[in-house]
Amino acid sequence: AQSVTQLGSHVSVSEGALVLLRCNYSSSVPPYLFWYVQYPNQGLQLLLKYTTGATLVKGINGFEAEFKKSETSFHLTKPSAHMSDAAEYFCAVRNTGNQFYFGTGTSLTVIP
Amino acid sequence: GAVVSQHPSWVICKSGTSVKIECRSLDFQATTMFWYRQFPKQSLMLMATSNEGSKATYEQGVEKDKFLINHASLTLSTLTVTSAHPEDSSFYICSVKVGDTEAFFGQGTRLTVV
Repeated sequence: AQSVTQLGSHVSVSEGALVLLRCNYSSSVPPYLFWYVQYPNQGLQLLLKYTTGATLVKGINGFEAEFKKSETSFHLTKPSAHMSDAAEYFCAVRNTGNQFYFGTGTSLTVIP
Repeated sequence: GAVVSQHPSWVICKSGTSVKIECRSLDFQATTMFWYRQFPKQSLMLMATSNEGSKATYEQGVEKDKFLINHASLTLSTLTVTSAHPEDSSFYICSVKVGDTEAFFGQGTRLTVV
């Protein structure tokens, strides 16, 4: 079975500061891991994904995430936060049937 | 990536009526689509897997007679909320399976039942 835990339902950072959003997963098979961003009343936009290969994955808008099997983690980072990064972020794990299981989400606030 | 369009973007209906939400894959033939529901301030919960030409597969706890899914073509899946009640008010999002790893999401439909 697959599941995702996102630590911290709300994260606030100052503009220009490091963004770190935490995600831990549980999967009975090698995981496919994803980070999505959701702006108010909109669907989900893919930020990045890990399937196989390099464990450090770079995505859009300067975000990256590192798959750490030993820690069962897939934390999302960005070196310098922008005001436009304020949104809801979801970590997800995909099963073999291509069904996605999402974490509860982390709301990112960027303080000017 | 695939372009997925949902219609309507928002809908208000009276309690007891039915409402249909469409999910279209505009540039990709989708044999499999997924329907999710998202309550305010919560995550997305998978409701069902929609398979073209066959019956949908529902997740545990989702009433198949209340949430009717039809996937009659490779580009269209519909979700009909029958006899809607205020507790059905939610944000409904569909996604399209592309290849082995990708899923592209629609922009969502905000349903309010009054």
